[in-house]
Amino acid sequence: DAKTTQPTSMDCAEGRAANLPCNHSTISGNEYVYWYRQIHSQGPQYIIHGLKNNETNEMASLIITEDRKSSTLILPHATLRDTAVYYCIGESTTSGTYKYIFGTGTRLKVLA
Amino acid sequence: EAEVAQSPRYKITEKSQAVAFWCDPISGHATLYWYRQILGQGPELLVQFQDESVVDDSQLPKDRFSAERLKGVDSTLKIQPAELGDSAMYLCASSLGWRDGTNEQFFGPGTRLTVL
Repeated sequence: DAKTTQPTSMDCAEGRAANLPCNHSTISGNEYVYWYRQIHSQGPQYIIHGLKNNETNEMASLIITEDRKSSTLILPHATLRDTAVYYCIGESTTSGTYKYIFGTGTRLKVLA
Repeated sequence: EAEVAQSPRYKITEKSQAVAFWCDPISGHATLYWYRQILGQGPELLVQFQDESVVDDSQLPKDRFSAERLKGVDSTLKIQPAELGDSAMYLCASSLGWRDGTNEQFFGPGTRLTVL
């Protein structure tokens, strides 16, 4: 299984870049890494995902190391509304099915 | 924008009672997931459906939990009897299934269960 490890919490100043690290050393070659965030009492919201190459969308950038054992989610200009728990998720493939393996997440607090 | 619907949003019950949660996935999504999220932890997959068939229920406590998706559309998760340790958020998610380099799952708002 693609287990992930993240820091428990981080603070970031509003307007600055937030860099959230994740270790996923057990991930297999064809298993993706997904990032979601969860604002209090809501369901998780998709941010971005990647396999080998770095990815960017309107919300964030994802930097994956060449050995695929770790990645970093970058929120380029954090706002107060980015305060949430961020989950780095390993995708596990078993018998043709795909499922998410959530870790405990990083609680990001954006400070004014 | 299409969303995953869940009801009820909140449920309070006494231990040993039966409870049921309902989920309506995004139209056309063949894969449906039920997760349990204990406070302070990440969601844990309970059961995964592909259309009406269960493809993974390895983490579902089958002595008290059951799930069905009879017509391959909406789904019900039941707990009978409820125990104090079942207090958690129950999340439903759906996806098109892995294709074109993604298995993005869309989550509903969840049902917050409190067992007294």
